[in-house]
Amino acid sequence: KNEVEQSPQNLTAQEGEFITINCSYSVGISALHWLQQHPGGGIVSLFMLSSGKKKHGRLIATINIQEKHSSLHITASHPRDSAVYICAGAFKAAGNKLTFGGGTRVLVKP
Amino acid sequence: GAGVSQSPRYKVAKRGQDVALRCDPISGHVSLFWYQQALGQGPEFLTYFQNEAQLDKSGLPSDRFFAERPEGSVSTLKIQRTQQEDSAVYLCASSIGQGGNSPLHFGNGTRLTVT
Repeated sequence: KNEVEQSPQNLTAQEGEFITINCSYSVGISALHWLQQHPGGGIVSLFMLSSGKKKHGRLIATINIQEKHSSLHITASHPRDSAVYICAGAFKAAGNKLTFGGGTRVLVKP
Repeated sequence: GAGVSQSPRYKVAKRGQDVALRCDPISGHVSLFWYQQALGQGPEFLTYFQNEAQLDKSGLPSDRFFAERPEGSVSTLKIQRTQQEDSAVYLCASSIGQGGNSPLHFGNGTRLTVT
């Protein structure tokens, strides 16, 4: 079964703290996506990766194919980073359609 | 426009009414996905098109849900005889490649409320 699990479900941090969100998936994927959804807002694609590490500004995404695990890191967090972060896997066995994790709700306090 | 456009932004329907939700993907994007997002939940897959072909409709919750993309661009999600449990945000996403192997671009969604 194609499954994606995220942890934690909720995370509260003080401004400036380093944040890590974890994502595990069940079987082989061709790509893993990290998405951001602000309250009442649409979904924005942050990263798509199939190996290694990607960095954009204060955001870093890593993936370990062998361990079927990915992490999203936010360095020097800011209140505007408050959002729901969602990982989604494109599972090879399912024709690469995306299966979403349940999301991690992040609140960064000033 | 430059992004994925969905309309209407909000829709209120009385139970039993039919609704049609529209998605205009980015021009030239091959793949188009529909997702349903209930309040406080992550998106759930509904259906996937590659050009005009509906390759996967396994996520459609019942035969009241129907989606089409007749010319490989604009897509319509139709829900017949709406029920209260259909209340959700319906998201459309497109990508230039096939399946989930290229970056996704999401619309802002249509919030459907069935009363």
